[in-house]
Amino acid sequence: DAKTTQPPSMDCAEGRAANLPCNHSTISGNEYVYWYRQIHSQGPQYIIHGLKNNETNEMASLIITEDRKSSTLILPHATLRDTAVYYCIVRLSGYSTLTFGKGTMLLVSP
Amino acid sequence: DSGVTQTPKHLITATGQRVTLRCSPRSGDLSVYWYQQSLDQGLQFLIQYYNGEERAKGNILERFSAQQFPDLHSELNLSSLELGDSALYFCASSVSVADTGELFFGEGSRLTVL
Repeated sequence: DAKTTQPPSMDCAEGRAANLPCNHSTISGNEYVYWYRQIHSQGPQYIIHGLKNNETNEMASLIITEDRKSSTLILPHATLRDTAVYYCIVRLSGYSTLTFGKGTMLLVSP
Repeated sequence: DSGVTQTPKHLITATGQRVTLRCSPRSGDLSVYWYQQSLDQGLQFLIQYYNGEERAKGNILERFSAQQFPDLHSELNLSSLELGDSALYFCASSVSVADTGELFFGEGSRLTVL
């Protein structure tokens, strides 16, 4: 699975959009981009995933660049409960397991 | 609530001892994964089972073993415990081996080795 690079920490004001970047320059054509988050000491939680097209669900939006070398997770209206470590993971769909890196610690402040 | 149940939530034991962590996957999920999270190593994949058979192995020590039973629950056995084994142990489940990558994690078992 391709490696990912994320900033170690980010801040966001409550109510504003949180844009979390991820670089995955060695991603191959059949690898998906996944986002998970982990609120302090709880089990990781799936957020969203995509291959090429932008994706949106009730939690977030995922924007993948045309060359697929980077992506951005967008939380449109961050709340205090969104404070967590966000993991960007590249995974070959089908059989491989999820490999977690260090992620980005997002702190949402009032 | 992810639907994945892990017991016990907390466990304190001494070096050299053996413990068993238990995981009940979501109803209908056939795949179970075990992860270890320590302060210095982050989330590390240990092992995966699918419908009772081992499917993938990660950084699991020889002192650790796991199995998945016919009712699909799984147990992770940790023996000859060392201080460095203190960590959060997470179980996750998914429907199948060839899944979408959406894993459902339990709340973890916190192991403290004194």
